[in-house]
Amino acid sequence: NAGVTQTPKFQVLKTGQSMTLQCAQDMNHEYMSWYRQDPGMGLRLIHYSVGAGITDQGEVPNGYNVSRSTTEDFPLRLLSAAPSQTSVYFCASSYSRGGAATLYEQYFGPGTRLTVT
Amino acid sequence: KNQVEQSPQSLIILEGKNCTLQCNYTVSPFSNLRWYKQDTGRGPVSLTIMTFSENTKSNGRYTATLDADTKQSSLHITASQLSDSASYICVVSDKKASGTYKYIFGTGTRLKVLA
Repeated sequence: NAGVTQTPKFQVLKTGQSMTLQCAQDMNHEYMSWYRQDPGMGLRLIHYSVGAGITDQGEVPNGYNVSRSTTEDFPLRLLSAAPSQTSVYFCASSYSRGGAATLYEQYFGPGTRLTVT
Repeated sequence: KNQVEQSPQSLIILEGKNCTLQCNYTVSPFSNLRWYKQDTGRGPVSLTIMTFSENTKSNGRYTATLDADTKQSSLHITASQLSDSASYICVVSDKKASGTYKYIFGTGTRLKVLA
């Protein structure tokens, strides 16, 4: 199993540009989520999904869109990049039961380091 | 407000020594507490997951303790190795009335092990 994969690993955008960060998992996990990690702060949840066709907002959803058309893929779209979105982005997945991630382990991808100038 | 605070922020120890990292939380209602190891430039990797009823859980040289009454947890690393150099993140999960869960992440303790 490849686990959780993310592409690209690094990306530089200009303010106002849009892009999609890709995330895929091959563990048949229902629960997938996107986090951002900024210096001096804990990981913060952007969006999450409890299954194909179901997504919901996390703690910091503004400026980001997600969709979940398959169990395997959970792309994160930046609509109009801003310098405040400079961060490291992590995708994670886990088993879930009844639509909620409970005591199962979360598996994180390697991250995408995004710089917006 | 649900919070997770870790101490110290950073720590330097010599190879072979033991160390203990602390995590205090104010999350309620409490569901479970996790410790992750994050190497530089990589995603976090789970070390332990503990529920309310568990006091201690080990994973090799890593031993986590939980005191749900005082809302404190610690991660003890025994006989440290150079490969233990990483950030260690404490994560506490609450359980919403809707049945879904939210993970609250601490800012981590950065550990450096010197030869």
